[in-house]
Amino acid sequence: AQSVSQHNHHVILSEAASLELGCNYSYGGTVNLFWYVQYPGQHLQLLLKYFSGDPLVKGIKGFEAEFIKSKFSFNLRKPSVQWSDTAEYFCAVIFFNDYKLSFGAGTTVTVRA
Amino acid sequence: DTEVTQTPKHLVMGMTNKKSLKCEQHMGHRAMYWYKQKAKKPPELMFVYSYEKLSINESVPSRFSPECPNSSLLNLHLHALQPEDSALYLCASSQDGTGGEQYFGPGTRLTVT
Repeated sequence: AQSVSQHNHHVILSEAASLELGCNYSYGGTVNLFWYVQYPGQHLQLLLKYFSGDPLVKGIKGFEAEFIKSKFSFNLRKPSVQWSDTAEYFCAVIFFNDYKLSFGAGTTVTVRA
Repeated sequence: DTEVTQTPKHLVMGMTNKKSLKCEQHMGHRAMYWYKQKAKKPPELMFVYSYEKLSINESVPSRFSPECPNSSLLNLHLHALQPEDSALYLCASSQDGTGGEQYFGPGTRLTVT
């Protein structure tokens, strides 16, 4: 069965630290990949997406992600976090057999000033 | 403009009430979605409309009834809900439901008493 897994449930960092969140999916076919962020009290926002081409994609707010097809992974990175990056981060995948957007369980990121 | 709007922002209803949630987008998108999100959990897909036709119903109880009056509007009619239905209800839209990014509204916070 197709699924999306996020490695970390809760990550706590200090400002200026680097962030990497892991995401893996299980499916051998074509996928589109996304990272969404949900800031406290705000709606889900698209951070970045990957459809095809360069596997290193850049998104908003200094985030980037790398698609590694052989590892079925799409990890999110930010070199230096800020207090305002405190939020819930969701990896999401559209599997091309049903076109449904499937979310990982989410990672709560807390950045301490 | 990548805005999806939802009304009301908050709704409190009794178990015998009938109410409706509304969603609107003016991006020319032809796919619209309802999701349910519990606290600290990922969104769960409920319904998908594609070109104003219901294309996916994720085995949602009949006390939830979706309606798509036109390509810009999506309603969710609620009747005889249970306290466990209390959640954030999110609307989203995408170009045509074949794999593109989904844009989410701010949600309606529903409390069933």
